[in-house]
Amino acid sequence: GAGVSQTPSNKVTEKGKYVELRCDPISGHTALYWYRQSLGQGPEFLIYFQGTGAADDSGLPNDRFFAVRPEGSVSTLKIQRTERGDSAVYLCASSRQPTEGETQYFGPGTRLLVL
Amino acid sequence: AQSVAQPEDQVNVAEGNPLTVKCTYSVSGNPYLFWYVQYPNRGLQFLLKYITGDNLVKGSYGFEAEFNKSQTSFHLKKPSALVSDSALYFCAVRATDSNYQLIWGAGTKLIIKP
Repeated sequence: GAGVSQTPSNKVTEKGKYVELRCDPISGHTALYWYRQSLGQGPEFLIYFQGTGAADDSGLPNDRFFAVRPEGSVSTLKIQRTERGDSAVYLCASSRQPTEGETQYFGPGTRLLVL
Repeated sequence: AQSVAQPEDQVNVAEGNPLTVKCTYSVSGNPYLFWYVQYPNRGLQFLLKYITGDNLVKGSYGFEAEFNKSQTSFHLKKPSALVSDSALYFCAVRATDSNYQLIWGAGTKLIIKP
């Protein structure tokens, strides 16, 4: 079956620009997560959606970062006024339910480079 | 605070030999433990998880992991390594009183030499 997909796979932008990263979760998965992974590190939690609502956005680094999931399926991570420090791989994951034991399935990631 | 430690940045093993990738954790509640593998330029792939029950968990590609509550460890093992097992391995934990996010280790690079 289809897994989690993310677009674009790579994004190069200039400092100060706005970017949108898209995640299409596994069909039927109600929980969706965004993580950020810097080189040589494990993923860092950004935000978690249950359905259409952001149940936990405590990992967003600042107010330049925002994410939506208007219909409870596809999610978009939006970054305003990008900075060089935002360069990383942005990972999306989904799970059937938001319970502790549920496995999160990851997409291939979007590699963001801010010049 | 919850945390995961993978004490080895890199593990080198000869093909055919057993391998172990170490993971220790610190959580306030009962832990749910996960192992993922990441191949170059690819996403994280789920290998196995411990939720409850038998301390020895079997997963994909012949991997297994042993949950040890007294040592707060969840080491990944495989009896006979393959060159194709070479990749980056991540341990992650979620506590029962968590907000569903996974807390991750920094990863261990596994190199299997022919």
